[in-house]
Amino acid sequence: DTGVSQDPRHKITKRGQNVTFRCDPISEHNRLYWYRQTLGQGPEFLTYFQNEAQLEKSRLLSDRFSAERPKGSFSTLEIQRTEQGDSAMYLCASFPTGGRTTNEQFFGPGTRLTVL
Amino acid sequence: KNEVEQSPQNLTAQEGEFITINCSYSVGISALHWLQQHPGGGIVSLFMLSSGKKKHGRLIATINIQEKHSSLHITASHPRDSAVYICAVRWGAGSYQLTFGKGTKLSVIP
Repeated sequence: DTGVSQDPRHKITKRGQNVTFRCDPISEHNRLYWYRQTLGQGPEFLTYFQNEAQLEKSRLLSDRFSAERPKGSFSTLEIQRTEQGDSAMYLCASFPTGGRTTNEQFFGPGTRLTVL
Repeated sequence: KNEVEQSPQNLTAQEGEFITINCSYSVGISALHWLQQHPGGGIVSLFMLSSGKKKHGRLIATINIQEKHSSLHITASHPRDSAVYICAVRWGAGSYQLTFGKGTKLSVIP
């Protein structure tokens, strides 16, 4: 399977615990996005990487959230001291280098987080 | 505030009908995406537009930059087209951030 993969697919945790999600983009894609989607809403942008550089972060991304892409390949998103409001689907998408007006994004299946 | 509005929110159609979903945005953009999300969450990118019109199979996407409006059309709709269709925009050359509409839930009845 050469698509975008995310792990785990589901995570249930207790309030206050830390969680980490992983995204493996398509191998030749150097651009990577993280999004969050709550029920009945469209996705919300969280952060963007080009290779290992985190070029943009949403104001939604509080200091409890941190994302890394250490070698420009896979990425991790960590949420510290989880709150019930963090319950959502966390989506990763990647796309290749190229003209900014010609690229499409390839989405992973998402990680569904439930905070009890 | 930069906003993306989709209409209708929900749409039910009979199989074979021509369907139009609309997306309006508040300020100039560098690109607009149409995405399809099936139950269970998987998202597929349908189109990316910065001007004009694109066609893929029974799907047609158009954008009017002056009107700040885009439409997604589905010809000869089929029950397998049932999904949520989401519009997303990239505001300007200096930002990589996408802002998404809330989606249009389409149900096509046999």
